[in-house]
Amino acid sequence: GESVGLHLPTLSVQEGDNSIINCAYSNSASDYFIWYKQESGKGPQFIIDIRSNMDKRQGQRVTVLLNKTVKHLSLQIAATQPGDSAVYFCAENIHVDYGGSQGNLIFGKGTKLSVKP
Amino acid sequence: DTGVSQDPRHKITKRGQNVTFRCDPISEHNRLYWYRQTLGQGPEFLTYFQNEAQLEKSRLLSDRFSAERPKGSFSTLEIQRTEQGDSAMYLCASSWTGSNQPQHFGDGTRLSIL
Repeated sequence: GESVGLHLPTLSVQEGDNSIINCAYSNSASDYFIWYKQESGKGPQFIIDIRSNMDKRQGQRVTVLLNKTVKHLSLQIAATQPGDSAVYFCAENIHVDYGGSQGNLIFGKGTKLSVKP
Repeated sequence: DTGVSQDPRHKITKRGQNVTFRCDPISEHNRLYWYRQTLGQGPEFLTYFQNEAQLEKSRLLSDRFSAERPKGSFSTLEIQRTEQGDSAMYLCASSWTGSNQPQHFGDGTRLSIL
């Protein structure tokens, strides 16, 4: 099937190494961020999220870091495995004044992670 | 499987034809979203529903596109008079209501216009 990874920045790592995928987000009013993993021919799969009142959150083998000063988000994957090979997207959700959020997520361009065995 | 389900997975049609896609969200979720994704790009928002109410529409959603969620459960997205530029993956997602709820995606419908 078609790859969603064409023309994307690519990160190539050795199996067992740690991976760091970076994302610059666009809007200082964004208050919620999500990392998704997308394999070829499939929809984005939720990995981990973080709210703007936090600067770090850990999951199983993954850590997300948020730096609001420079509008930067990163995803760290520990002990990267071949099954981690995919395109990774960060997404942001913008806070609105009535106490909620805009309905839609705004996605970054994605990074293709390739894991060498 | 209790995830988001989309049907069909693939649709090939001639330019000018109408197409309709269906999305069944996760059953407890009352928000449903439609996105479009082209090759090498991230998903782009089209519209979303809270229960049966369509609350927001992107300017990407031209008048040839219409979405419905009549009973607040499944949703349909119709494209009339399809054009070459409509070729894309159409993704559906669902979530709980409220701030900062993760959206969970289906595997999409791949539309190819001949």
